[in-house]
Amino acid sequence: KAGVTQTPRYLIKTRGQQVTLSCSPISGHRSVSWYQQTPGQGLQFLFEYFSETQRNKGNFPGRFSGRQFSNSRSEMNVSTLELGDSALYLCASSLGRPGQETQYFGPGTRLLVL
Amino acid sequence: AQSVTQLGSHVSVSEGALVLLRCNYSSSVPPYLFWYVQYPNQGLQLLLKYTTGATLVKGINGFEAEFKKSETSFHLTKPSAHMSDAAEYFCAVSDDSNYQLIWGAGTKLIIKP
Repeated sequence: KAGVTQTPRYLIKTRGQQVTLSCSPISGHRSVSWYQQTPGQGLQFLFEYFSETQRNKGNFPGRFSGRQFSNSRSEMNVSTLELGDSALYLCASSLGRPGQETQYFGPGTRLLVL
Repeated sequence: AQSVTQLGSHVSVSEGALVLLRCNYSSSVPPYLFWYVQYPNQGLQLLLKYTTGATLVKGINGFEAEFKKSETSFHLTKPSAHMSDAAEYFCAVSDDSNYQLIWGAGTKLIIKP
C-alpha cells in the first residue's frame, strides 16, 4: 500500500503571498490531519478533516484553511504569508479518529517564507 | 484540560546504555496513549500505543512503555541504545471528549558512540 504523499516537498515564498499544500492519504483512510512543526513551537495541530468535513480545528488564525475532497485527498492553504509561517507542514491520515487509530504521516512540506 | 509533559528536550545516552524518555499526562486517564518517533528528515511513525489491558506495551525496534495510572506516566524505555535510535520522540494522549491527540513537546534522543 502506498504511504501518505505530500506535494510539494519544498517551497519558497515571499511575505504576503499565498500557498497551497497537497496531501494524498493512504487508500481507505478517511481522516486527514494537518500539523505545523517548528523548532520553537514543536508540533502543533492545525485541523482534521473526515469525509470532507472539518471535524476539529487547532488554534491558528483564519489565514490557515483546508479542505478535503471526495477521494479523501486534502489541501491546506495559507494566505498572506508571514515570516513566522516558515515551518515543516505534516499531513497524517488514519482510518478513524487520530486519538484512537494509528496516524500515518507523510514526509512533510518544508515551507520557507522570505 | 489534558496536557502532556515530556521531561527533557534532549536526552543523551551512550550506545548500549538504557534509554528512558519520560512522559506525564495531566488529568483524567486518557483513553489512549501513544509514542511516535521522527527520524531526521522524515514524518512521524508510530512506536507503540496503549489502549486497555496490560500496562506494559511493546513496540517496534525493541522499545516498550509502561502505563502507570498512580504516577500519571507513560515512560518509554529500551534496554540497549543503538545508533539508529537517534531521533525525536513524541508522546501523545487522546482527549476523551473528541479523541483528538494532545502532543508533548518532543524529546531528541542523542546516542553517543
